[in-house]
Amino acid sequence: DTAVSQTPKYLVTQMGNDKSIKCEQNLGHDTMYWYKQDSKKFLKIMFSYNNKELIINETVPNRFSPKSPDKAHLNLHINSLELGDSAVYFCASSSAGDTQYFGPGTRLTVL
Amino acid sequence: DAKTTQPTSMDCAEGRAANLPCNHSTISGNEYVYWYRQIHSQGPQYIIHGLKNNETNEMASLIITEDRKSSTLILPHATLRDTAVYYCIVRETSYDKVIFGPGTSLSVIP
Repeated sequence: DTAVSQTPKYLVTQMGNDKSIKCEQNLGHDTMYWYKQDSKKFLKIMFSYNNKELIINETVPNRFSPKSPDKAHLNLHINSLELGDSAVYFCASSSAGDTQYFGPGTRLTVL
Repeated sequence: DAKTTQPTSMDCAEGRAANLPCNHSTISGNEYVYWYRQIHSQGPQYIIHGLKNNETNEMASLIITEDRKSSTLILPHATLRDTAVYYCIVRETSYDKVIFGPGTSLSVIP
């Protein structure tokens, strides 16, 4: 069974569009995260949520809005997509302070 | 910024032990050493972590020096499937922010 899953796996869209990426974990964790890995392969944290409450927000543009409907889900909505948003986005989850487990990633390409 | 330094790349012959070093000279007393790896196009995969003592699991061994300023991840019998980027990270368990550096690109050669 997949522990941390993301949909879609690939997302190709035009500049200016709005898109969402979904993440679900079945590990019973209370904390979830979004990371961005750019073309230079650096993996950077964007957000973390603990029990549906925003804990970390790493100066990400406000076009990015995470939404956590419940502890098992953390979705990422992106408005007015720009070329620089092209990257691989990874979701992760953990019990607070414990090891983080990552999803398979969503490759976003903005044309 | 990442608090660790690692070699950019390493090669290892298939079947031999792969020893991946990591320097973390500014590590504080309550920070753990974590290792993850990322196989091409996949999500980072947790390998092992430790505080002071050496640790071993089904994937690898972690050797931490007595002063805790460096560590070595050991893959005892490297296979081609171990080719990946390996990240050494230090973090407090009370602080959820994990900072990844560029890691070490390990190539296992037949």
